[in-house]
Amino acid sequence: GEDVEQSLFLSVREGDSSVINCTYTDSSSTYLYWYKQEPGAGLQLLTYIFSNMDMKQDQRLTVLLNKKDKHLSLRIADTQTGDSAIYFCAETLNAGNMLTFGGGTRLMVKP
Amino acid sequence: KAGVTQTPRYLIKTRGQQVTLSCSPISGHRSVSWYQQTPGQGLQFLFEYFSETQRNKGNFPGRFSGRQFSNSRSEMNVSTLELGDSALYLCASSFAPPGDTQYFGPGTRLTVL
Repeated sequence: GEDVEQSLFLSVREGDSSVINCTYTDSSSTYLYWYKQEPGAGLQLLTYIFSNMDMKQDQRLTVLLNKKDKHLSLRIADTQTGDSAIYFCAETLNAGNMLTFGGGTRLMVKP
Repeated sequence: KAGVTQTPRYLIKTRGQQVTLSCSPISGHRSVSWYQQTPGQGLQFLFEYFSETQRNKGNFPGRFSGRQFSNSRSEMNVSTLELGDSALYLCASSFAPPGDTQYFGPGTRLTVL
């Protein structure tokens, strides 16, 4: 099975907060990332967090990391229609540069 | 600073043919990784190059190969194409491993008929 898991779909109203969740299984993960993919496009790096951190905030984005439960979340405040996309979480292990991705969460923002 | 560029953006091939995809990393970046994205398997790591050397390889058959040039540009080659090779092939670059943030290009959409 996948090492990184995400729910498939999330629908929110414009202006609400969105929370996208991710679980990973490898405790040796060193870096955890969130990427955004719009239709027909590549992956856009949104933010990342080191495994020794609990939280990181970057403008409308807040990343929370619970190492005990191996749970990562991305909160988007004041969600806009332009945030509609697929969001991927990913991890790298130890000294590697190989990204292991979750299956992606499709975020739909309704006006 | 220009982002990661990939050429061509779209490609149509037939079974049995071979294909070469190209990736130019962000200026100053020396590490290039390749990923395959399909609806069924999601995003999967193909290989990673740094200073013209392959550092890591994913679980793909030998038909998939790559190389990196002295200017850090990278190419990947798929020989004897199969229908299942139809995918979006994404290239990512970073300054240097390990664990440096990777930035992705727009991808090459390969369709095998």
